[in-house]
Amino acid sequence: GAVVSQHPSRVICKSGTSVKIECRSLDFQATTMFWYRQFPKQSLMLMATSNEGSKATYEQGVEKDKFLINHASLTLSTLTVTSAHPEDSSFYICSALSGGSGDGYTFGSGTRLTVV
Amino acid sequence: SQKIEQNSEALNIQEGKTATLTCNYTNYSPAYLQWYRQDPGRGPVFLLLIRENEKEKRKERLKVTFDTTLKQSLFHITASQPADSATYLCALAQGGSQGNLIFGKGTKLSVKP
Repeated sequence: GAVVSQHPSRVICKSGTSVKIECRSLDFQATTMFWYRQFPKQSLMLMATSNEGSKATYEQGVEKDKFLINHASLTLSTLTVTSAHPEDSSFYICSALSGGSGDGYTFGSGTRLTVV
Repeated sequence: SQKIEQNSEALNIQEGKTATLTCNYTNYSPAYLQWYRQDPGRGPVFLLLIRENEKEKRKERLKVTFDTTLKQSLFHITASQPADSATYLCALAQGGSQGNLIFGKGTKLSVKP
């Protein structure tokens, strides 16, 4: 089946530094990928929709200059958390639609970001 | 405002019993609804999708119903096993078939041996 690979799975960074998270579709092309954030015991919250070859679409309240998204190819989208602060500590997950709408979305395994 | 609610935050059942999870939504007219399983520290895994014109869908021990009048979906796991213990999420798609997903908070299911 379709696989979305997300790296790293865990990262600890110092406050003020930047962290890049990669999301790759391994056996399919994804013109659109989605980035979510999940706080403990909370629902997945959509941050942005990443479109190959064009600018990402951000949800209300998500700072586009802080969460930089690049979707340079049909198999790779990256999320960079710039000038990270402790409140950015969260579980970040990407997803892509591998087939038709009847197939569901394929999610990466997530990245646990801890900012100290 | 639009809401997706999974009424139970947690559900504890005995092995072998049927688990029934509920998902209600308001102010949506979804073309379809999806159910996912999420284990701790992992991304969600797709289980089932049911369309607005389908009342019921089955996959092995899983069954999903969709009542667009009640704006409710029920998710059943029959002959439950401890390995079924996880958080189950319902999700609706915004913007049509290629739209992004909006998730409920999930129900944490614990199946005791």
